[in-house]
Formats: sequence, structure tokens, C-alpha cells
Amino acid sequence: KQEVTQIPAALSVPEGENLVLNCSFTDSAIYNLQWFRQDPGKGLTSLLLIQSSQREQTSGRLNASLDKSSGRSTLYIAASQPGDSATYLCAVKIWGYGQNFVFGPGTRLSVLP
Amino acid sequence: ETGVTQTPRHLVMGMTNKKSLKCEQHLGHNAMYWYKQSAKKPLELMFVYNFKEQTENNSVPSRFSPECPNSSHLFLHLHTLQPEDSALYLCASSQEQGTDTQYFGPGTRLTVL
Repeated sequence: KQEVTQIPAALSVPEGENLVLNCSFTDSAIYNLQWFRQDPGKGLTSLLLIQSSQREQTSGRLNASLDKSSGRSTLYIAASQPGDSATYLCAVKIWGYGQNFVFGPGTRLSVLP
Repeated sequence: ETGVTQTPRHLVMGMTNKKSLKCEQHLGHNAMYWYKQSAKKPLELMFVYNFKEQTENNSVPSRFSPECPNSSHLFLHLHTLQPEDSALYLCASSQEQGTDTQYFGPGTRLTVL
């Protein structure tokens, strides 16, 4: 059974710092991996999608990498801002599960002004 | 806005009550999803409807009963719930089941007393 974990569970940093969020999954037979952002009281917004054949994706200050063989992904946020404060979830889409997502528990990020 | 709306946003109910959660999407999608997000577990897929047909039931107790009268509307009927069912219930939609991009609603915060 695929399990997804995220480290750390919570993170508090001063504004301007570069930071890394980690995601691990137990079964490397994934279709793709996606990073989401969730603001309090709101639904999820997709940030980056990495297909299993790709190694990384970039969008603005965000960069996500994927090492399928080791079951790991990282989300790098450059020059963090208070507006980045949110919970970040990673999710993997796996074969044989109706192409549905398995989510990690999330990392709660606070960026202090 | 994501184009996916959910009502009510907050709901408090007793264990003997019957209530319904409503989700509506204005995106012309054909797949709709119910997820449960509780404090101590990762986001869990509950049900999937694709072209109005239920395609996934992730071993959800029968006290949760979904209904999808058309591709734009999804309901979750609740009866004789338990306190451990208290959670944030998120609805999502996608072009069809298996599409990588899902659009999430803001969720209904349910408290069972």
C-alpha cells in the first residue's frame, strides 16, 4: 500500500529565507507527483505537477524535484514571503488505484515578517 | 474562485441528525470527488463519480451516502454519524476521472456532537 510522508510537519521561518519541504513515498511505481497549497478554510490549489519521467518542475520562486527511485520529492521555495504561509501537501498518483491521488499529511509553513 | 462551491461551509450536527452536504461545479467537468480531511490523517478519497456513475467507494461506512444527480452537482447525505466523523469534507472536480488537474472547493467543516 502506498504511503506518503512529509517532513517537517511544521516550519516557521523569517521572511526572505530559502526553504525546502520534503515528501517521501513508499512505492516508486507512481504515475506522477503533485504539490498543492492549502490556505486555512480553503480548498487545495495545485502548484506543480511532475510526471514520473521528469526530474523537476519550476514555477516562479517554486522548484520541485522528483527522485522516483529513492521515493523522494522536494519543494524548494526561494526568498520566502509572508504570503507563502499555508499548508503544503504532496500527492502521488499511482497505477491501479483508479488513477487517484494518495496524499501526504502536509507541512504547515509560517513565514514571519 | 476555483469554480467549485460547497454549502454549507460549517455544519454542527448531533449523532441522530440527518443532513446533506452540497457541491456544485461550474467548470463543465465530468468527474467529481468527495475527500475527507481530519486532524490526524492525511486527505482521504471517499467517493468518485465519473459521468454521473460512481466509480470509487473507498470503503466508506454506509452512514455516508453520496448522490450525483448530474455532472454539475454532488451531494453527501449524512445520517447517524459518530464524533470521529468530524472533519473537513472537500469536494473536487476534474475533466474526467484520471485527469491530473483537480479543482477543489473550500470545504465544509463538520462537527458531530
